[in-house]
Amino acid sequence: SQQGEEDPQALSIQEGENATMNCSYKTSINNLQWYRQNSGRGLVHLILIRSNEREKHSGRLRVTLDTSKKSSSLLITASRAADTASYFCATHPNQAGTALIFGKGTTLSVSS
Amino acid sequence: GAVVSQHPSWVICKSGTSVKIECRSLDFQATTMFWYRQFPKQSLMLMATSNEGSKATYEQGVEKDKFLINHASLTLSTLTVTSAHPEDSSFYICSAGGMGGQETQYFGPGTRLLVL
Repeated sequence: SQQGEEDPQALSIQEGENATMNCSYKTSINNLQWYRQNSGRGLVHLILIRSNEREKHSGRLRVTLDTSKKSSSLLITASRAADTASYFCATHPNQAGTALIFGKGTTLSVSS
Repeated sequence: GAVVSQHPSWVICKSGTSVKIECRSLDFQATTMFWYRQFPKQSLMLMATSNEGSKATYEQGVEKDKFLINHASLTLSTLTVTSAHPEDSSFYICSAGGMGGQETQYFGPGTRLLVL
């Protein structure tokens, strides 16, 4: 399988705390993307980081990318109950016309 | 931003029947569309790549005669689950590659299929 690995598989925190999720992948990439999925719903695109970028911010989100280690992390700062969802990283291989490859996901639970 | 729709959003059918799911790019032309399947509490698994005007490319382990894909126009791809069985019950999600470059994919809201 080309699926990447994410850890932890599940994460439970209190509101206001930070949440960090990690993603590792196997092939060379053009970019890496993070998505959120609420239970039973579709995907919400959060952020895209290109292979030549090391860090990117969007609001309370901070994404890092280490292509030498083939890994990425997603940090959500000052978490809220509404952040409760599953989070997936997805890599876009360095080949035109190919699909995203999704990691196994991290289920985040934020309690108030 | 670009919008991709799916229809129906959910469907319940009897075992043995066929179900067609539509994926439309509403405001852009998509030369490539992708179909994913997601079982409960699991991640998305790519089923096939659909290219307009040509045959779909299926991932290993996905039966092309069971999951028929047609990409007849630049805005519409259809996935037909033929002779559906309970094990085909899943969440089916399509995505479309836009004119803005291959790095940009837009996901549909998904179709939940329940086969009784």
